[in-house]
Amino acid sequence: GNSVTQMEGPVTLSEEAFLTINCTYTATGYPSLFWYVQYPGEGLQLLLKATKADDKGSNKGFEATYRKETTSFHLEKGSVQVSDSAVYFCALKDDKIIFGKGTRLHILP
Amino acid sequence: GAGVSQSPRYKVAKRGQDVALRCDPISGHVSLFWYQQALGQGPEFLTYFQNEAQLDKSGLPSDRFFAERPEGSVSTLKIQRTQQEDSAVYLCASSLGGLREVADTQYFGPGTRLTVL
Repeated sequence: GNSVTQMEGPVTLSEEAFLTINCTYTATGYPSLFWYVQYPGEGLQLLLKATKADDKGSNKGFEATYRKETTSFHLEKGSVQVSDSAVYFCALKDDKIIFGKGTRLHILP
Repeated sequence: GAGVSQSPRYKVAKRGQDVALRCDPISGHVSLFWYQQALGQGPEFLTYFQNEAQLDKSGLPSDRFFAERPEGSVSTLKIQRTQQEDSAVYLCASSLGGLREVADTQYFGPGTRLTVL
C-alpha cells in the first residue's frame, strides 16, 4: 500500500540555518505530494504541493521537488526563522491523502 | 465563514458514552474528509463524502464510528460507546472538487480534541 516516511524529530536549528526535512514515499500510482504545516495551537495548513515528477512546489521560502527516481519530496529552506517553528507533515494523495508522522521543528533565536 | 469550523473544540467523555462531533465545511465545497490524529502521529484517514454520499469509509476503525452528511454540507462524526483508545484529535477537511482532482487543496478545520476517561 501507499506510505510516507519522513525524518523523525525534533529538529532544532539556529535562526538563519539551512533546513532539510527528508520525506520518501511508496506509491503504486502517480500521486500528488504535499507538505502541510501545523503551527502551535493552529490547524493543519497546506504549505506547498507538486502534482507530477520534477515539479517544484514553493511557498514562504520553502521548496520541495517531486523526485520520481528517488521517490522523495524533501523540504528545504535556505534561512529559517523562529516563526517557522512548527510540525511539518509530508503527505501523498492518490485516492486518499496519506500523511507521514510529522517532524517537529524548533528554531532558536 | 472563511474556513472549516469544528465543534466542540474539546470534548471529555466517560468510557461508554456516545459523542457527536460536528464539521462545517467551506461553503460550496463538494468533498469532506474526516481524519483521526493520535498524539505525536500524522492524521489518519477515516472517511470521505462527496456531497451527501459517503464514498469511502474504509478508515473507520470499528462499527462504533459513524459519519453522516445528510444535506451535503454539515457533517457529524458519531462515536458510540467510547473507549480510551478513541482519545485523539478528530480533524475535518473540505475541498472544492472531487477526490480525483489531483491538484485540489484540502482545507482543514482546527480539530476536536476528544479525551475518553
